[in-house]
Amino acid sequence: KQEVTQIPAALSVPEGENLVLNCSFTDSAIYNLQWFRQDPGKGLTSLLLIQSSQREQTSGRLNASLDKSSGRSTLYIAASQPGDSATYLCAVRSDTNAGKSTFGDGTTLTVKP
Amino acid sequence: NAGVTQTPKFRILKIGQSMTLQCTQDMNHNYMYWYRQDPGMGLKLIYYSVGAGITDKGEVPNGYNVSRSTTEDFPLRLELAAPSQTSVYFCASSYSLGAGNQPQHFGDGTRLSIL
Repeated sequence: KQEVTQIPAALSVPEGENLVLNCSFTDSAIYNLQWFRQDPGKGLTSLLLIQSSQREQTSGRLNASLDKSSGRSTLYIAASQPGDSATYLCAVRSDTNAGKSTFGDGTTLTVKP
Repeated sequence: NAGVTQTPKFRILKIGQSMTLQCTQDMNHNYMYWYRQDPGMGLKLIYYSVGAGITDKGEVPNGYNVSRSTTEDFPLRLELAAPSQTSVYFCASSYSLGAGNQPQHFGDGTRLSIL
């Protein structure tokens, strides 16, 4: 059974700081890994999707990496802004069994002005 | 671009009542999923479907039922609402595995309270 862990559970940083969010998973047989952003009381916004054959994906100030062999992914946020404050979820999608996703519990990020 | 549409957005139920959460997608996706999200937690899979007429249990199916009579619709039924079912429910859809490395598309969620 796939298990996904996100550390830390919460993170508070001053504006402008670069930061890294971590996601680890136990089964390396994955289809892809996706990072989401969730604002309080809202739905999921997809940030980056990394295919199982890829090592990293970039979008603006965000960079996500994937190391399948070690079961780890990181989301790097450069020059953080107060608007980045949200909960960040990673989801690992199985490459079998209807491509079900297993989610971590998220990291809640607060960027202080 | 409608994508995945969930209705209602909010609902309050009394214990023992029943209701159906609606989910419709217009992307001709084969795969559809129902997740629930409890406060401070990630999403947990309730049921999923790989095509019309085919459904299967996920991680937390107790207290729920689903049906998939068409490709577009995947309703979730709560028969006897219990306080433990207070949660936010998300529906998602995707193409079949092997049809390109496509993401799951999520609806905006249904916030359900059982009192």
